[in-house]
Amino acid sequence: DAKTTQPNSMESNEEEPVHLPCNHSTISGTDYIHWYRQLPSQGPEYVIHGLTSNVNNRMASLAIAEDRKSSTLILHRATLRDAAVYYCIVGTSYGKLTFGQGTILTVHP
Amino acid sequence: NAGVTQTPKFQVLKTGQSMTLQCAQDMNHNSMYWYRQDPGMGLRLIYYSASEGTTDKGEVPNGYNVSRLNKREFSLRLESAAPSQTSVYFCASSKYVLGEKLFFGSGTQLSVL
Repeated sequence: DAKTTQPNSMESNEEEPVHLPCNHSTISGTDYIHWYRQLPSQGPEYVIHGLTSNVNNRMASLAIAEDRKSSTLILHRATLRDAAVYYCIVGTSYGKLTFGQGTILTVHP
Repeated sequence: NAGVTQTPKFQVLKTGQSMTLQCAQDMNHNSMYWYRQDPGMGLRLIYYSASEGTTDKGEVPNGYNVSRLNKREFSLRLESAAPSQTSVYFCASSKYVLGEKLFFGSGTQLSVL
């Protein structure tokens, strides 16, 4: 499954949009792009996933590059509750996916 | 609406002791997983069960055994605990292994002295 590269950390101000990037240049045609986040002292929670087209849900939007080698998770208006570690994982089967170290998002009041 | 339930939440073991971590899901999911998370690290897959009756090794299976007891329950056993197994353990489940959401439990903090 494809390796992903994410920035170690990012900062944002409350109520501003946040764009979290992820590079996955070795992605294959059947690989899904998943985003999860982990709040302090909790298990990870699902944010969004997609295959080829951009996706929206109540939590976030996922913008996938046309060549699928990168994607961006968009939080439209960050809140303090969005402060977490965000993981971008790419692959076909959860049995083979790897959660890397993710991006630590800090949200300032 | 329990989701994925793990027990116990905390455990302290002495080196060489054995124990079993329990996990149950009530979402009628086919696939279940055990991960470990060390401080400042991402999650690493220990074992998973794609469907009832099957189990497969993940990235870090050494020192662990698993049992898919039925569709709801997936247990992780440490036969002879070692300090290197000090970690937070998460159980997760999904409808299938492909393209579906993972739902995680709240974790078990395990310390091996």
